[in-house]
Amino acid sequence: EIVMTQSPASLSVSPGESATLSCRAGESVYKFLAWYHQRPGQAPRLLIYDASTRAPGIPARFSGSGSGTDFTLTITSLQSEDLGVYFCQQYLNWPRTFGQGTKVEFK
Amino acid sequence: EVQLVESGGGLVKPGGSLRLSCEVSGFAFKSYTMNWVRQSPVRGLEWVASISSSSSDVNYADSLKGRFTVSRDNAKDSLYLQINRLRVEDTAVYYCTRGIGWLQPYDYWGQGTQVTVSS
Repeated sequence: EIVMTQSPASLSVSPGESATLSCRAGESVYKFLAWYHQRPGQAPRLLIYDASTRAPGIPARFSGSGSGTDFTLTITSLQSEDLGVYFCQQYLNWPRTFGQGTKVEFK
Repeated sequence: EVQLVESGGGLVKPGGSLRLSCEVSGFAFKSYTMNWVRQSPVRGLEWVASISSSSSDVNYADSLKGRFTVSRDNAKDSLYLQINRLRVEDTAVYYCTRGIGWLQPYDYWGQGTQVTVSS
């Protein structure tokens, strides 16, 4: 099983600032990495797939980068609707695996 | 509008069974891979099972094989998850998700159905 490790576990950011979230895979997943955002009481929502492609309807302030084992999600100009938990997922190997999440909150 | 609506969750005693359903609308169900993902405070997000568009390919998390069975009825635009011999650690919100294909992420999620296993 490919273990996905996210850091940091939580992040406090001021409104309008940027946030950088990391995800590391236990072995190479090439480009097969997705990022999801989950607000409290809601289901996760796909933000980024194939490491760097924004899903339809996702604002340009969200960007993904990386390949192999190290990936980054960057959120610029953070807004209130961006608060919540962000998860990464690899979809190369079975079982599909998720990171434990990074919680983003306002200072 | 794409919609996935889960049902069938509830409170069950250990050793019991449940059949979860996911009814979809707004897209050609028969053309998509479908998946079950569960989430609990203890285990986080956990992939459960995936089934190809024609049901020819099915994959399960190793730890769940033998107790979980995923199926679909393309004529009814519905996905199912049969869970037998329920354990306390199966307590979670179960989500139905859509994937375009095997090497694809999950682009739509249902709202989830809560399964609680407790005596």
